Amino acid sequence: NAGVTQTPKFQVLKTGQSMTLQCAQDMNHEYMSWYRQDPGMGLRLIHYSVGAGITDQGEVPNGYNVSRSTTEDFPLRLLSAAPSQTSVYFCASTPPPGAYEQYFGPGTRLTVT
Amino acid sequence: DQQVKQNSPSLSVQEGRISILNCDYTNSMFDYFLWYKKYPAEGPTFLISISSIKDKNEDGRFTVFLNKSAKHLSLHIVPSQPGDSAVYFCAASGTWESTLTFGKGTMLLVSP
Repeated sequence: NAGVTQTPKFQVLKTGQSMTLQCAQDMNHEYMSWYRQDPGMGLRLIHYSVGAGITDQGEVPNGYNVSRSTTEDFPLRLLSAAPSQTSVYFCASTPPPGAYEQYFGPGTRLTVT
Repeated sequence: DQQVKQNSPSLSVQEGRISILNCDYTNSMFDYFLWYKKYPAEGPTFLISISSIKDKNEDGRFTVFLNKSAKHLSLHIVPSQPGDSAVYFCAASGTWESTLTFGKGTMLLVSP
């Protein structure tokens, strides 16, 4: 099993550009989440999904969109990138019924200039 | 409003000694607690967890203690090794919740 994979590993965007961060998991986990990690801020939840077709907002959802058309994939879209979105983004998955023991991907480091 | 607090941004310990990382929470609905370890340029990895029905859980060199009345948990690493140097995140969740709430992390440095 590859576990949770994320692409790209690194990305530089200009302000106003859009892009999609990819996340895939091969563990047939129902729950998937996106976090961002900023210095001194820990991991903050952006969006999450409890199954295909179901998504919800986390703590810091503004400027991001998600969709979940399959169990395996959970892409995160930046609609119009801003310097405040410079961060490291982590995708995670976990089997139901709870959020325990989430499995994280290796992260995407995004810089917005 | 931080629901999970790790008040020590960093901790330095000598190899072979005990490392104690602390975490406080404010939400009384939390009943499951986890510790994650994170190396630079990698994703966090699960380390150990504890349910609110227990006050201690042990896994090799790692032990987590939970004091529900004080809303406090701690991670003990004995003996500490240089390879334990990483950022440690405390996380919490409530029964049947689908998300985790993380603290800001504590960077542990274990020197030889």
